Amino acid sequence: AQSVAQPEDQVNVAEGNPLTVKCTYSVSGNPYLFWYVQYPNRGLQFLLKYITGDNLVKGSYGFEAEFNKSQTSFHLKKPSALVSDSALYFCAVTFTGGGNKLTFGTGTQLKVEL
Amino acid sequence: KAGVTQTPRYLIKTRGQQVTLSCSPISGHRSVSWYQQTPGQGLQFLFEYFSETQRNKGNFPGRFSGRQFSNSRSEMNVSTLELGDSALYLCASSFDGGEQFFGPGTRLTVL
Repeated sequence: AQSVAQPEDQVNVAEGNPLTVKCTYSVSGNPYLFWYVQYPNRGLQFLLKYITGDNLVKGSYGFEAEFNKSQTSFHLKKPSALVSDSALYFCAVTFTGGGNKLTFGTGTQLKVEL
Repeated sequence: KAGVTQTPRYLIKTRGQQVTLSCSPISGHRSVSWYQQTPGQGLQFLFEYFSETQRNKGNFPGRFSGRQFSNSRSEMNVSTLELGDSALYLCASSFDGGEQFFGPGTRLTVL
C-alpha cells in the first residue's frame, strides 16, 4: 500500500526567507510524486511533479522539490517566500502501474508573514 | 483551454436522499478521477474512469458510484446519503498519467 506523510501541520516563515515543506512517501515500485496547493474554497492547483530524471524538479511560482530516493522524501522548497504563498500544500504519490490513484498527505498549512 | 468544471458548486441534501454530481474534464483528457475531501479524513480517492471504464477504485461503500460518458464527462452518484458524506467532492482530469488537473469542487452538505 502507498502512503504519504507530511509531518508538519503548519509551517510559519517570514516573507523573503526560504521555505521548506516536508514530505516522505512509501510505495511499492517506482514513485510518481506531486505537489499541489489549495487556496480557501478552491480546488487543488498543480505545482510540480517527479516522474523520472533529475532529482531536482522546478515547478510553478518559483517552487522546486528535491526527490531523495534513499530517504524516500520529496520536500517542497522556495528560495524566497511571499505572503501570497500562504495556503494549504499537499504532497501526493502514485506509482508505476498505479494509474491515477493518488494518495495524498494530510496537508501542511503554510503561513508567510510580513 | 477551459479547465475542469464541476456542477453544482453547492448542494444541500437530507439524510437518505441521493445526489448526482457532474464533472466536465479538460478537452482531450480521457481520465477522470473523483476525490472526497473532509477535515477528518483528508483527501481520499473514490474512483477513476478512463474511456468509459472504471479503472481504479478506492475504499468507499457501494453507495458511491460513478460513470463516464463517451465525451469523457463523468458523474458520480451517492445514494442513501449519510451525515458523514458531507464533504468537498473534487474531480480531476488528465490526459493519461502525469499530473491531474482539479476542478473547484462540489460542496455537499447533508442535513
